[in-house]
Amino acid sequence: NAGVTQTPKFRVLKTGQSMTLLCAQDMNHEYMYWYRQDPGMGLRLIHYSVGEGTTAKGEVPDGYNVSRLKKQNFLLGLESAAPSQTSVYFCASSYSPSGSKADTQYFGPGTRLTVL
Amino acid sequence: DAKTTQPNSMESNEEEPVHLPCNHSTISGTDYIHWYRQLPSQGPEYVIHGLTSNVNNRMASLAIAEDRKSSTLILHRATLRDAAVYYCILRDAGGSQGNLIFGKGTKLSVKP
Repeated sequence: NAGVTQTPKFRVLKTGQSMTLLCAQDMNHEYMYWYRQDPGMGLRLIHYSVGEGTTAKGEVPDGYNVSRLKKQNFLLGLESAAPSQTSVYFCASSYSPSGSKADTQYFGPGTRLTVL
Repeated sequence: DAKTTQPNSMESNEEEPVHLPCNHSTISGTDYIHWYRQLPSQGPEYVIHGLTSNVNNRMASLAIAEDRKSSTLILHRATLRDAAVYYCILRDAGGSQGNLIFGKGTKLSVKP
C-alpha cells in the first residue's frame, strides 16, 4: 500500500515549457486535490476532483489544467510555465469531503518545481 | 470555512510536553477541528481531529474549550521528530468540496 505517490520529485523548466505532474493513489479514494506551497506559506488549492471524470477549480487555478481519466490518477498540467509557478506541488486524496474521520486527507511527498 | 489563529512559532525541550494553541472564535456548530503537521520537506500528515469532546490518539491529544472558540494540541513528550509546522484547520461536517484551508501554522522547534 503506497498511499499517494507523485512523479517527478524535482523538475526544472524554462519559461514557456510545458509539463505534467502525475499523482497516483491506491486507497480507492473518490476525492483528489492539487495544492501548491510557496516559501513560508500554507498550502493553497489549485484544482480538485470529486470523482473519475470530474474536475473543478480551486483558489489559484490560473495557468494550470487537470484531468482525472482514471479514479486512481490525477494529472496537473502546466501548458506554458512561468517563474511565478515555481513552487512545491502536493497532491492529496480523501474518501469523502466531510469533516468526519473518513475525510482524512493523505498527502504525497511533493514535487519541487523551478521555472527559470 | 471559519478562520483560525495560531502563534507563528514555539519552542520546546525534548521529552517535555508541548501545548499548541489555536483560536477559532467564529467556529460554527458543524465545524470539526482538525490538526495536520508538516515535517521538513514532506507533505502534511493528519494528526487528530475533534468536534466537542477532548480526543486522544497515539500521536497527540486535543483539548477543546467548552465554548469551542479555542483548542489546544498536546504532544505529551516532544521528540526531535516532532519538529514541524502544525496547522489547525476547521472542516465543515457537511462540506462538499473537501479541501483543507491552510494558514501559516505554528512552527515547532524541539531542542535536545
